Amino acid sequence: NAGVTQTPKFQVLKTGQSMTLQCAQDMNHNSMYWYRQDPGMGLRLIYYSASEGTTDKGEVPNGYNVSRLNKREFSLRLESAAPSQTSVYFCASSPRRGKGETQYFGPGTRLLVL
Amino acid sequence: GENVEQHPSTLSVQEGDSAVIKCTYSDSASNYFPWYKQELGKGPQLIIDIRSNVGEKKDQRIAVTLNKTAKHFSLHITETQPEDSAVYFCAASQGDSWGKFQFGAGTQVVVTP
Repeated sequence: NAGVTQTPKFQVLKTGQSMTLQCAQDMNHNSMYWYRQDPGMGLRLIYYSASEGTTDKGEVPNGYNVSRLNKREFSLRLESAAPSQTSVYFCASSPRRGKGETQYFGPGTRLLVL
Repeated sequence: GENVEQHPSTLSVQEGDSAVIKCTYSDSASNYFPWYKQELGKGPQLIIDIRSNVGEKKDQRIAVTLNKTAKHFSLHITETQPEDSAVYFCAASQGDSWGKFQFGAGTQVVVTP
């Protein structure tokens, strides 16, 4: 099993451009998450999907949209990129069999917005 | 909402010594506390976790302790090795929320030979 995979690994955008970050998991997990990681701030939740067909805002959702395409895939879209969105983006998944579950992370996408 | 504070932000230890990282949380309803290790250029990986009905858990050189009364939990690494060098994150589940974590800011651990 590949676990959680993310594409692309690295991307450079100009201010105002749009892009979609892709995430897929092969562990048959129900819940998926998008985080951003900035220096000295740990991981902050952008959006999450508790189960297929549902999405909810996390701590820092402004400027982002998500789509839970199916049980395996959860994409994050930046409609009009801003320099403040320069960050490392991580996708994660968890089984959602009960409260307090381990989340499994992908390798990350490094995004630079000029 | 939940707030997690992590200390220290950086930690340098000699190979073979012990390392301790401490986290405090604010929501007394939090019930699950994982620790993640992140190596350079990689995603966080779970190394150990503890639930609120347990006070201590150990896995080889790694242990985690939880004090629910004081609302803090700690990661202990004994006999440190150079491969323990990484950034470590603590997290706390947000009360009754399904799968939502609040992460600490991270601790950069450097183990020198």
